[in-house]
Parts: sequence; structure tokens; C-alpha cells
Amino acid sequence: GQNIDQPTEMTATEGAIVQINCTYQTSGFNGLFWYQQHAGEAPTFLSYNVLDGLEEKGRFSSFLSRSKGYSYLLLKELQMKDSASYLCAASNDYKLSFGAGTTVTVRA
Amino acid sequence: ETGVTQTPRHLVMGMTNKKSLKCEQHLGHNAMYWYKQSAKKPLELMFVYSLEERVENNSVPSRFSPECPNSSHLFLHLHTLQPEDSALYLCASSQEALVGGSTDTQYFGPGTRLTVL
Repeated sequence: GQNIDQPTEMTATEGAIVQINCTYQTSGFNGLFWYQQHAGEAPTFLSYNVLDGLEEKGRFSSFLSRSKGYSYLLLKELQMKDSASYLCAASNDYKLSFGAGTTVTVRA
Repeated sequence: ETGVTQTPRHLVMGMTNKKSLKCEQHLGHNAMYWYKQSAKKPLELMFVYSLEERVENNSVPSRFSPECPNSSHLFLHLHTLQPEDSALYLCASSQEALVGGSTDTQYFGPGTRLTVL
């Protein structure tokens, strides 16, 4: 089976950095996705890691360690609009197994 | 229209009603998916279609019936639902859905918020 764990909630201040951790146990692992979902909206693609290491995309970076079954999403220079749910998803062939999401609240 | 669209955005139905959810993708993708998202729970994959052929039925009750008439359209027919079926139903598409192959990025529609009374 698939098991994806991430924290339920995190709170941070505008301009700060927040790191959302995700651990996964899945057979036939291909790679790790991160999606952002604002309340009442569609999940939108943020990043996809296949190889170990850090991928940087502007204010957002994602890290993967395949040997440890671990990933994190790093949000820098937080803005109010970054308040959302962040979904970690492990890919197995054509299927995605999602975590329950981490709700990030950015405070002024 | 661009991306993935879903209609209706909100739906309230009784347990004896029959209704359908519609999804359309304008991305030229070959694979389409139905997910169920309940509060505080992970997205649950329900069905996967690749080139209009169903490749995955994730133990979904028969009161949910998918239909994929072409690679751009996906329907979810609903009948005799239960209150616990109330959730956000998300459609997604990706370029391919290759069994045993690598995963393409999935693009999601805004979802249909379903309430079963």
C-alpha cells in the first residue's frame, strides 16, 4: 500500500521561511509531486522531483531523498497569498498517492 | 476556455436522485482522472482513463459510474448516493497514463462540491 505523511497545519509570519516535510512509503516509486491548493480551488502543480537533491523555482524549492523516503517543500519570503494547503503526492506508475495536505497560514 | 473545466461547481442532491458531473480538458491530453476529496483526508483516486479506456477502478462503489466518450470529456454519473459521498470531486488530466511508465504531471479542474441530503 501507499503511506504519505505530512503535518496537518503550520503557521508562519509574512517574509519568513517555512519547510513542509513529507515522508512516504510506496512501492514502485517514480517521483514526488507538490501541489498548492487554495480553499475552494483546484490543486495547482508546484514541483516534481525524480532525482535526489534540491530543485529551486523562485521562492519555492523542493527536496527529495529517495533512500530516506523523504521530501520537503521550502517556501521563502512568505506572502499572504501563500496561505493555502500544500499536498505531497508520490507517483507510482501513472498513479498519484496523496498526503492529507498541510494547511499553511501566513500572518502579517 | 483553457485548462480543465468542471460543471456544475456545486450540486445538492437527494439520495434517490440521478445526476452527472462533467469534466472537459482543453490541453490535448490522453489521460483523465476522477478523484474524491473529503475534508482533512487525502485525495482518493477513483477512476483513470487512458485514450478513452478505463485502466483503473479503485474499488469504487457501483453507484458511481464513469464515462469517457472521447479523450477530452469525462463524466461521472451518480445514482442512489449516500450522505457520506458528500465531498469535492476533482477531475484531472495528464499527457499520458502509461502503466509501468513514468508519471506525467496531472492538471486539475476546480472541482464539483457535492452535497447528498
